Amino acid sequence: SQKIEQNSEALNIQEGKTATLTCNYTNYSPAYLQWYRQDPGRGPVFLLLIRENEKEKRKERLKVTFDTTLKQSLFHITASQPADSATYLCALSDGGYQKVTFGIGTKLQVIP
Amino acid sequence: DGGITQSPKYLFRKEGQNVTLSCEQNLNHDAMYWYRQDPGQGLRLIYYSQIVNDFQKGDIAEGYSVSREKKESFPLTVTSAQKNPTAFYLCASIDGGLAHTGELFFGEGSRLTVL
Repeated sequence: SQKIEQNSEALNIQEGKTATLTCNYTNYSPAYLQWYRQDPGRGPVFLLLIRENEKEKRKERLKVTFDTTLKQSLFHITASQPADSATYLCALSDGGYQKVTFGIGTKLQVIP
Repeated sequence: DGGITQSPKYLFRKEGQNVTLSCEQNLNHDAMYWYRQDPGQGLRLIYYSQIVNDFQKGDIAEGYSVSREKKESFPLTVTSAQKNPTAFYLCASIDGGLAHTGELFFGEGSRLTVL
């Protein structure tokens, strides 16, 4: 069965540094890889999507890479701020109305 | 503003009782989903519906039931058959047709605690 691995340990970084979160997956060849942000007690919020034929996608301070050979995505937040502190979820899908499969998320703490 | 409204936000129930969680959307989205979130686990799909009067089981449908009588509404009933119902429940929807890339819009969640 398909499996998504995210570092379950929290990531602590200093304000202003670049945070890098990792998402690895097995037994799946998704058409799309998505990243969501989730704050405590709230629903996830969509951030970025990257297609299987794309290597990199950027949005403001966010950057996502997608290596279908390694079956890995890296999610970067540059010039990190305390407001970026949250849990970040990786998700895979084949688009349309098909099921979206989520990882457990990585908790990011940006220290002032 | 358009969005997804889940209610109640917090719910307590006694063992053996059924409870229904509400999910309403005014985004005009066709497809709606129910996920369950537990500490240390990713979101797990309970049920989803691509169109009115039709729905499919997800990965953990046992002990749950849904209906989709209106496009805007997708209520979830947690029955007494669900062995571990205490969890955070999330409703979501997807915009567009089959060609869409599939990013989800989520509600704020409902936290169910069984006493």
